[in-house]
Amino acid sequence: EAGVAQSPRYKIIEKRQSVAFWCNPISGHATLYWYQQILGQGPKLLIQFQNNGVVDDSQLPKDRFSAERLKGVDSTLKIQPAKLEDSAVYLCASTDGRFEAFFGQGTRLTVV
Amino acid sequence: GQQLNQSPQSMFIQEGEDVSMNCTSSSIFNTWLWYKQDPGEGPVLLIALYKAGELTSNGRLTAQFGITRKDSFLNISASIPSDVGIYFCAGPGQGAQKLVFGQGTRLTINP
Repeated sequence: EAGVAQSPRYKIIEKRQSVAFWCNPISGHATLYWYQQILGQGPKLLIQFQNNGVVDDSQLPKDRFSAERLKGVDSTLKIQPAKLEDSAVYLCASTDGRFEAFFGQGTRLTVV
Repeated sequence: GQQLNQSPQSMFIQEGEDVSMNCTSSSIFNTWLWYKQDPGEGPVLLIALYKAGELTSNGRLTAQFGITRKDSFLNISASIPSDVGIYFCAGPGQGAQKLVFGQGTRLTINP
């Protein structure tokens, strides 16, 4: 069974630029999460989807972050414009309805 | 919202030693998960716990769901170099299937 796929693995951008991350969850997993992990900290939930609907985006900085899962499968997370403090690893995870979430390898973003 | 506190934040041990770490919650949990994260990788699920008092093993790893339902413990026996990494506890936050994480315990092993 293929795992959660994320791309790109690494991205370096200048502040005020925009960036997008892509995630393909495990086949059949209805729930998809985007987490932000700052160096030295645990993952922090940004947004949770159930199929193509948003379940929780209470910690998503909506003035600059957006996410979509139009067909209930793949998802994209966008930052526009990026700030220095957005430097982090962005993790995508999915689950089939249980709490056990499976994670991708993450995208490491560096904003300079 | 719920907060998870992991202890210790870091551990430096000799190869072959046993390891113990714990996680406490500000509220009662019905599920506890333990993940391991290697450098440059996403977290990988190690053990899931569903009932207070439950003790579950995965090879040399053993995790327990505390009877107060506000804590969980992870033990690693006879540590080996590949055990190096960051161990996270996680549990259900407020809301449907929301998963919240502790800040992690970083394990370093001296050969």
